[in-house]
Amino acid sequence: KAGVTQTPRYLIKTRGQQVTLSCSPISGHRSVSWYQQTPGQGLQFLFEYFSETQRNKGNFPGRFSGRQFSNSRSEMNVSTLELGDSALYLCASSSGQGSSSYNSPLHFGNGTRLTVT
Amino acid sequence: AQKITQTQPGMFVQEKEAVTLDCTYDTSDQSYGLFWYKQPSSGEMIFLIYQGSYDEQNATEGRYSLNFQKARKSANLVISASQLGDSAMYFCAMREHSFNSGGSNYKLTFGKGTLLTVNP
Repeated sequence: KAGVTQTPRYLIKTRGQQVTLSCSPISGHRSVSWYQQTPGQGLQFLFEYFSETQRNKGNFPGRFSGRQFSNSRSEMNVSTLELGDSALYLCASSSGQGSSSYNSPLHFGNGTRLTVT
Repeated sequence: AQKITQTQPGMFVQEKEAVTLDCTYDTSDQSYGLFWYKQPSSGEMIFLIYQGSYDEQNATEGRYSLNFQKARKSANLVISASQLGDSAMYFCAMREHSFNSGGSNYKLTFGKGTLLTVNP
């Protein structure tokens, strides 16, 4: 089974631009989560989608948005980029179904490293 | 207050020895799950082991075991027979079994991580 695929691996953008990151989950997984990882703040939860619906959202400004398509693929968008948005953005998928599936591990992709100059 | 605390920013261990990475957590939920992930310098997060709050036995996965002490709210990772390839950042994470309008909460809260270096 193919793992979680994130594209692109690296991005360099300038302040004020916008960026879209893509994530393809493991086949059969319907839950997709996004995390931001920085040296200062560590791993921070952005949002989680299940069956095209946002189920959870972290404490990030509205410039950060996402969506999930009917094939479970997900995109994350950051508008009006700031220097502080430079980070490794990790996507993770899980089966995410049923009341007992909270023990399902998240399977992460390799991440997209975004640099804002 | 931090929900996941990893007090060891860095740890060193000799190859073939065992090492324990500490993790304490804070939750008022009765149902929760604890996870350990490994992140090599390449950046990918690799799932290692899971422990549920109702599991009576400590979880084991190959050379990884989880020393779960519920009353002390600790979930330490033990790596036996360390290998050079074990050098990486290790993150402890917790999923609390809370609900919102969208259903069960699948968000993971991570600790700051411990950088493990295995020396030859």
